[in-house]
Amino acid sequence: GAGVSQSPSNKVTEKGKDVELRCDPISGHTALYWYRQRLGQGLEFLIYFQGNSAPDKSGLPSDRFSAERTGESVSTLTIQRTQQEDSAVYLCASSRGTVSYEQYFGPGTRLTVT
Amino acid sequence: AQSVTQLDSHVSVSEGTPVLLRCNYSSSYSPSLFWYVQHPNKGLQLLLKYTSAATLVKGINGFEAEFKKSETSFHLTKPSAHMSDAAEYFCVVTFNYGQNFVFGPGTRLSVLP
Repeated sequence: GAGVSQSPSNKVTEKGKDVELRCDPISGHTALYWYRQRLGQGLEFLIYFQGNSAPDKSGLPSDRFSAERTGESVSTLTIQRTQQEDSAVYLCASSRGTVSYEQYFGPGTRLTVT
Repeated sequence: AQSVTQLDSHVSVSEGTPVLLRCNYSSSYSPSLFWYVQHPNKGLQLLLKYTSAATLVKGINGFEAEFKKSETSFHLTKPSAHMSDAAEYFCVVTFNYGQNFVFGPGTRLSVLP
């Protein structure tokens, strides 16, 4: 079927507003990851979901960031009270499992905070 | 703690010449290692992966990488560069059952005609 999809593709928001980013993983993929990529930099791990296990939130930069996932389907990443330093591309990836399984990446959401 | 170092932020080669992109990792455990490529305005794509099988791993588009435990390295090579290889390349390490993929800072490859 289709690959990982993310929406919106672009989001411009004012400083202080909340934003919600959506990720639709590949059907049947139990693992889902969120990353942040600032301009000209590598990927920064944010959060990881695996099945019904408690998510690994160790990469979330502050308590303004949160994410949820319903079962093994859609995930939403929420950023509250956005700051200019939150401007980045937010990438979602899913995989069939852990360890050696390839991650399939979505096209990303480009967030610009003005 | 695990970390990934990509020694060159930018590599420039001429078309038809060999490519070498360097990657070193630090991990207390046996890692799984990956190389991903990101073309301009496109998503990340897996080139190849090492998961404790053969130490020389072949990937797509003629790329290969060799896992050297003694040197904690996983350098990416290609015998002959093509213009279409121009992209950003990321070395990735993971352990702990894939709960945390650590990306290197990336190496931008330019291919000159």
